[in-house]
Amino acid sequence: QKEVEQNSGPLSVPEGAIASLNCTYSDRGSQSFFWYRQYSGKSPELIMFIYSNGDKEDGRFTAQLNKASQYVSLLIRDSQPSDSATYLCAVNVAGGTSYGKLTFGQGTILTVHP
Amino acid sequence: EPEVTQTPSHQVTQMGQEVILRCVPISNHLYFYWYRQILGQKVEFLVSFYNNEISEKSEIFDDQFSVERPDGSNFTLKIRSTKLEDSAMYFCASSSGRNTYEQYFGPGTRLTVT
Repeated sequence: QKEVEQNSGPLSVPEGAIASLNCTYSDRGSQSFFWYRQYSGKSPELIMFIYSNGDKEDGRFTAQLNKASQYVSLLIRDSQPSDSATYLCAVNVAGGTSYGKLTFGQGTILTVHP
Repeated sequence: EPEVTQTPSHQVTQMGQEVILRCVPISNHLYFYWYRQILGQKVEFLVSFYNNEISEKSEIFDDQFSVERPDGSNFTLKIRSTKLEDSAMYFCASSSGRNTYEQYFGPGTRLTVT
């Protein structure tokens, strides 16, 4: 069973702090890694993707990937109350006849308090 | 900015009835997906679709489910005989297929089976 594991939280951080969200995956064939944000009752919104080892930065968000440790993380700098949401980690094993099926973790609830 | 659209936003049906959920993917995308999310649970992959055929499906996607691209813009999910356990949010997603198959989700259809 290919699994994606996240700490369900809730993770509570003060406004302006760095929020650190973590994810591990079991399938070494995983090629691409995604972070989605999901507000309550809404659909997943893509915020970052990464497929090479190391860091990828986009504004206040940094995704980090370590394939040897099967670990991917998301850092949110200068956290704002509007960042309060569930953050979903998703991985895909593309190739052959697989065209990007995503396997999701259960999500980490983030609360940013003023 | 182009987006995936879905109709209806909420569908209520009786057990045993057929439902069709509709999606309009982003116009230049070639890969289409359906996912579902039962309340409080993970987002789960149902099926991927490329070049007018199913490329991959999950164990959930049994003979009661079918997908179709009836014209150049719509992508539909049909459930032939709904069960109580089919009650969930159903999300359509699409991808251009470049590089990482990053997927953009529609707003979802909430299906309630009574």
